[in-house]
Amino acid sequence: AQSVSQHNHHVILSEAASLELGCNYSYGGTVNLFWYVQYPGQHLQLLLKYFSGDPLVKGIKGFEAEFIKSKFSFNLRKPSVQWSDTAEYFCVPRAGSTGFQKLVFGTGTRLLVSP
Amino acid sequence: GAVVSQHPSRVICKSGTSVKIECRSLDFQATTMFWYRQFPKQSLMLMATSNEGSKATYEQGVEKDKFLINHASLTLSTLTVTSAHPEDSSFYICSVREGGADTQYFGPGTRLTVL
Repeated sequence: AQSVSQHNHHVILSEAASLELGCNYSYGGTVNLFWYVQYPGQHLQLLLKYFSGDPLVKGIKGFEAEFIKSKFSFNLRKPSVQWSDTAEYFCVPRAGSTGFQKLVFGTGTRLLVSP
Repeated sequence: GAVVSQHPSRVICKSGTSVKIECRSLDFQATTMFWYRQFPKQSLMLMATSNEGSKATYEQGVEKDKFLINHASLTLSTLTVTSAHPEDSSFYICSVREGGADTQYFGPGTRLTVL
């Protein structure tokens, strides 16, 4: 069965610091990868996604993620965080045959950016 | 992006009663809808997948007679928690997917508290 591991449960950064959130998944077949973000009091929103092609994908709000197949990783990065990036971030792989694909949520990483 | 609504946003009920939660896709016809629950400080757990006009597919360990799902139209799915107990207290989140699209959009969630 597929699973996902996010290395840090809590991350605290100052504004303008660089961010990298680690994500490793376990699945041997074709996998689609997503990063979702949940801002305080709001619903989950899609940050970015990877299906195929260029392994470096860019998302909204200056976020990007790099898919490294050999490492089963899909780390999220942002060169300079802002206070408004305070949120919970979920790395979400999706695996399975067509018709049975489902998202697999990890425990998430709670990011706090201090002004 | 897609807009997904849930109603109610919060509900408190007595033990033994049933509660219905609605999920509406406002921007497109959602052939597939998903129901998740999220325990405090934990990640989302997929409960079931519903396709319009057919029976929902429940994840292992989820009681289908307790969590009734009806996907009556392409824009509405309902989750009914029957004979609710305090352990059913949780945050219930729905998401929708349009046709063969690869992205799911999430609703704002419903917080259920069973006294």
